[in-house]
Amino acid sequence: AQSVTQLGSHVSVSEGALVLLRCNYSSSVPPYLFWYVQYPNQGLQLLLKYTSAATLVKGINGFEAEFKKSETSFHLTKPSAHMSDAAEYFCAVSDRRASKIIFGSGTRLSIRP
Amino acid sequence: DTGVSQDPRHKITKRGQNVTFRCDPISEHNRLYWYRQTLGQGPEFLTYFQNEAQLEKSRLLSDRFSAERPKGSFSTLEIQRTEQGDSAMYLCASSLGEVAGTNTEAFFGQGTRLTVV
Repeated sequence: AQSVTQLGSHVSVSEGALVLLRCNYSSSVPPYLFWYVQYPNQGLQLLLKYTSAATLVKGINGFEAEFKKSETSFHLTKPSAHMSDAAEYFCAVSDRRASKIIFGSGTRLSIRP
Repeated sequence: DTGVSQDPRHKITKRGQNVTFRCDPISEHNRLYWYRQTLGQGPEFLTYFQNEAQLEKSRLLSDRFSAERPKGSFSTLEIQRTEQGDSAMYLCASSLGEVAGTNTEAFFGQGTRLTVV
């Protein structure tokens, strides 16, 4: 079975600082990996996805993530945090049939002024 | 396109009552998914349809839960004999084909928040 583990349920950074949200996956086959963001009272929005093309994936709002097979990781980064980045972030995995998405438990990102 | 629409947005019901939620996917999206999200957790997969066929159901989907997509367009999720543990946000998503295609993704609605009292 496929799964993802998000390390840290809450991350707080200062505005302008580096954002690093950690995600490790477990899969017996090469996975598809995703990061979604959920703002309060809004639906989930796709930030980026890895589908075995480039290992460094660039997404919306300045976010990017790097697929590292040796570490089974897919950490999300942004060089400089903005107040508007405060939200819940979910790492997710799908199988090769890309039939359904399995989500992690989420990391709440807070931005300090 | 107005995106994935879910109705109602909020539902309060008494334990033991039946409830039904509706999801209208993005037009022409052939896949439709239902998820459940409890506070502080990530969405949990419940079931998905390709057109009108229900292709997969999670073990989370007990016999009290049933989902339909009769004409391959909108879908309904019914919970019979609701329990307090059913209180959660129920999310619907749709996609055109597989979720990891080059130009495809799953789009989520804002959800229906169910409170069982």
